[in-house]
Amino acid sequence: GAGVSQTPSNKVTEKGKYVELRCDPISGHTALYWYRQSLGQGPEFLIYFQGTGAADDSGLPNDRFFAVRPEGSVSTLKIQRTERGDSAVYLCASSLNGYGIPNEQFFGPGTRLTVL
Amino acid sequence: SQKIEQNSEALNIQEGKTATLTCNYTNYSPAYLQWYRQDPGRGPVFLLLIRENEKEKRKERLKVTFDTTLKQSLFHITASQPADSATYLCAPGGDTGRRALTFGSGTRLQVQP
Repeated sequence: GAGVSQTPSNKVTEKGKYVELRCDPISGHTALYWYRQSLGQGPEFLIYFQGTGAADDSGLPNDRFFAVRPEGSVSTLKIQRTERGDSAVYLCASSLNGYGIPNEQFFGPGTRLTVL
Repeated sequence: SQKIEQNSEALNIQEGKTATLTCNYTNYSPAYLQWYRQDPGRGPVFLLLIRENEKEKRKERLKVTFDTTLKQSLFHITASQPADSATYLCAPGGDTGRRALTFGSGTRLQVQP
């Protein structure tokens, strides 16, 4: 009965480096979302997966950001050539499905990314 | 452009009083609206969902209203407790068929004992 887990909880990297952030959704949840949250702001949508496919990636800020979910469970958010402006808390959420009646989203604790 | 407004200033109330938080939206026609609670260092936690054809929804000490004419949702916590202190986020959704939520910036509630 574990909730959504995210690793690492904290990541400090240098400008220009590549980072991967991992999300383990609740078992059986087919929908998975990535958001990022800056201090004092609400979560900002990045990408949504329904199963293995990215159903909506309109929130990705640019082509340095990419996410995968190859087996329809675990997802990895990948950021290339990190910039200081990428520093934020990256949140992952899952919901039972992505169709029909809107489901509540269950959020993980987030990964705090700091780009020096 | 679409805009969601929540009071950016913290709301301070005394224990036992009713807290009322406001969420206004513009250039939206959401099919539903969700409210989440977020504690420091944690992800948001779902509280309530109200659909466009519902005027009011209740859950224990929580009550949410949804006025599609005013483009506003009100979130009430009755008999507030210090444990209710947190940031509350509103998220209108379903306006364009998108599944992802668009969140307001949240209102911080502080309940004084």
